[in-house]
This record gives sequence, C-alpha cells and structure tokens, in this order.
Amino acid sequence: GESVGLHLPTLSVQEGDNSIINCAYSNSASDYFIWYKQESGKGPQFIIDIRSNMDKRQGQRVTVLLNKTVKHLSLQIAATQPGDSAVYFCAEPFNQGGKLIFGQGTELSVKP
Amino acid sequence: NAGVMQNPRHLVRRRGQEARLRCSPMKGHSHVYWYRQLPEEGLKFMVYLQKENIIDESGMPKERFSAEFPKEGPSILRIQQVVRGDSAAYFCATGQGASETQYFGPGTRLLVL
Repeated sequence: GESVGLHLPTLSVQEGDNSIINCAYSNSASDYFIWYKQESGKGPQFIIDIRSNMDKRQGQRVTVLLNKTVKHLSLQIAATQPGDSAVYFCAEPFNQGGKLIFGQGTELSVKP
Repeated sequence: NAGVMQNPRHLVRRRGQEARLRCSPMKGHSHVYWYRQLPEEGLKFMVYLQKENIIDESGMPKERFSAEFPKEGPSILRIQQVVRGDSAAYFCATGQGASETQYFGPGTRLLVL
C-alpha cells in the first residue's frame, strides 16, 4: 500500500530537551525516506534523508533512525530550540517514481 | 543560488474564475512536482512533470485542473472555474531526478470566495 503515518499529532517539549518524532511506513520496498520541516505559512524545508541501506544518519543536531524490521522511522532533534517549532513530515517516494507520499505531520511545540 | 520560486504567493479568486499558479525550478532542476495542502492536512501529490512532458498525473482531479512545464518558462498549474473547495496551499517542488531530493517553494495560497 502507499501510506506513511505518524504516531502522534502533537509533541510539546521544553527548550533544551531532546525531541523524538516517529513515523511508520507501510511499503517495505521503499529505498529512501525524507524528513521535512514546515513552519507556519512556509513551504516544507528539507531536513535530512536516509537510504534503506542505512539504519542511522546524522546531521546538525538531527539524527534519523530507520528500523526496516518494524518499518519505523524516527527523527531526533538534540537540544531543541524555539526555532524548531514547526510541523514535521516524513515522506517516501511511491514506487521509486518521484511522487512523494507524506504523513499527516507532527506539530512540535517548544516551550521556553 | 536561488531556490524554487512560486508566484503569486497569495491569490484570491471568485467562484468560476481561473487560477494560474507558476513555479520556477531551482537552477539545474528539470523535474517539477505539484502538491496541494488543505488546511490542517498533509501534502498530497498532484502531478509530476519534466520539460514538455507529464510523467505522472495520478493525483490531479479529472476536471478543471491542468499542468504544463514548457520548454521555456515556468511550470504552470491551471485551475479553471474554481470552486470554494479548491482553496488550499499549492506547493511546487523540484529536483534533479526522480529519485533525488525534492526542494519545495514557498507555495501559493489560493482563496476562492
């Protein structure tokens, strides 16, 4: 099937804490996953991606983990800052054909 | 290096009018994707184009919607005879290839009165 889903619609964290945003996917043949951040009134902004031959990839303050056994993807944000407040979407290409399937999104709220 | 450009950023139309949304890809990108985002929802794929070709239009409504990416100029998403249900944010994303990262523009927010 073609579905990417998120476990929690909202997440509230204290500034400085670590955040973990989860995502489940259904297409075991997917070879590429992407995380986007969307601030209010703006377009989605690429954060990080991961290929299916990896189980972890790190960026600046962000880490993406991929567990193919349970078809689960997570985005970890270290030392969360107020500027991290946004909606986060995971996405995967549909049948490697370019079209992206997005989850509903998780709204991250950072409390000062 | 300029990113993906979309215009207009905001568009107001009355029911029955036409809406034209434009997308200029990032330099070096020849693949264009259009997505629609309804309020409080995720993004839904509409159409995937390369220069002068529609590759995948499986997400396009069967009527009133069309898209093109001519040899010269921006990609255009055209909505004829708009209805209130067309009110949404329309995003364009571009990439270098079908399996490459897609970078999004700022979107066009269409409001149909």
